Amino acid sequence: SAVISQKPSRDICQRGTSLTIQCQVDSQVTMMFWYRQQPGQSLTLIATANQGSEATYESGFVIDKFPISRPNLTFSTLTVSNMSPEDSSIYLCSVSGVTSQNIQYFGAGTRLSVL
Amino acid sequence: DAKTTQPNSMESNEEEPVHLPCNHSTISGTDYIHWYRQLPSQGPEYVIHGLTSNVNNRMASLAIAEDRKSSTLILHRATLRDAAVYYCILRVYYGQNFVFGPGTRLSVLP
Repeated sequence: SAVISQKPSRDICQRGTSLTIQCQVDSQVTMMFWYRQQPGQSLTLIATANQGSEATYESGFVIDKFPISRPNLTFSTLTVSNMSPEDSSIYLCSVSGVTSQNIQYFGAGTRLSVL
Repeated sequence: DAKTTQPNSMESNEEEPVHLPCNHSTISGTDYIHWYRQLPSQGPEYVIHGLTSNVNNRMASLAIAEDRKSSTLILHRATLRDAAVYYCILRVYYGQNFVFGPGTRLSVLP
């Protein structure tokens, strides 16, 4: 398995500001992903974080709003830019390629509230 | 990704077996059937996955229909800690994306 640390675990932010969420894994992994879980909803994939190249975004998510970095095989960041109350969600980091490409491991998530 | 259908919620008594169904009538030959669960205030965690044959691990069993159009996650003795949302997901082995549906919210009664 993998131990995934996300920081911060929660934050309350003002409208128009940006927040950067960090994801640290205790071992090198092939794939890293970022998900959003809106209140009472299921998970939606935002993007795949690619090491050494630009992230691959899913439909409905754009780089200007959710810039992602992945400088190495154990670390990634997701920035939520120019926040509005609609961005209030839980943001989750996940990884695969630890024991198998077929299993994903998830962090505990970052609970974001935008006022 | 092919779609899955699960009941919105189920209830079980503690220490009794639980059978969580999942329908996936449009499954393709290369789709693996995955189950994850999300405990309150946590990220999802892997439970089990399989392709054609029934699978067992320390957490659960996965029973896959012969035509693969449905599957059942079996918790042999439910505990209060098993109260969670259970997601049934189809995923091509070499594909990287999971598509999470609404899942089944399992309540376990003492």
